[in-house]
Amino acid sequence: EDKVVQSPLSLVVHEGDTVTLNCSYEVTNFRSLLWYKQEKKAPTFLFMLTSSGIEKKSGRLSSILDKKELSSILNITATQTGDSAIYLCGGAGSYQLTFGKGTKLSVIP
Amino acid sequence: NAGVTQTPKFQVLKTGQSMTLQCAQDMNHEYMSWYRQDPGMGLRLIHYSVGAGITDQGEVPNGYNVSRSTTEDFPLRLLSAAPSQTSVYFCASSPYGAANYGYTFGSGTRLTVV
Repeated sequence: EDKVVQSPLSLVVHEGDTVTLNCSYEVTNFRSLLWYKQEKKAPTFLFMLTSSGIEKKSGRLSSILDKKELSSILNITATQTGDSAIYLCGGAGSYQLTFGKGTKLSVIP
Repeated sequence: NAGVTQTPKFQVLKTGQSMTLQCAQDMNHEYMSWYRQDPGMGLRLIHYSVGAGITDQGEVPNGYNVSRSTTEDFPLRLLSAAPSQTSVYFCASSPYGAANYGYTFGSGTRLTVV
């Protein structure tokens, strides 16, 4: 059975801090690693990673995949209150996308 | 372009009742999935479909049925609702599979079984 583990499960930081969210995976026929942000409703897509060691960036967010260690990290620099959300990591195999439990990030002013 | 549309947004059922959660997408996506989300549990896969006429079970399929008669629609049926099925349900779709494109999610259905 596929498994994705995220850590920490929750995190409280102050505005301006930098945070690192962790994701490890065991996925049969692994194809890609996906990160989503979930605020009040549906998850919204952040990154898809398929190649090891190549960083993807979008503004203050960045992510990298380590296929040797079966893991990924999501970095957020200079956090803002609008970054408060649940961040979901998913490992995609041939047909299924398996998610971890998510990391709940709270950014306080 | 509506994307992924789920109805209803909220529903309260009594134990033992049956109902169908509707999901429709207008993007001609082949892949569709149903997830449930419970507090502290992330998203868990119930059923998925790789095209019209093809469905398969995910991690937590018991108590749910699906069918895929058209590319656009992927309804989720609760056969006999139980309090353990109280959850938020998300439908998602992708053109060629989540591994290649990720999923687009609907806005969710919040179901309470009393």
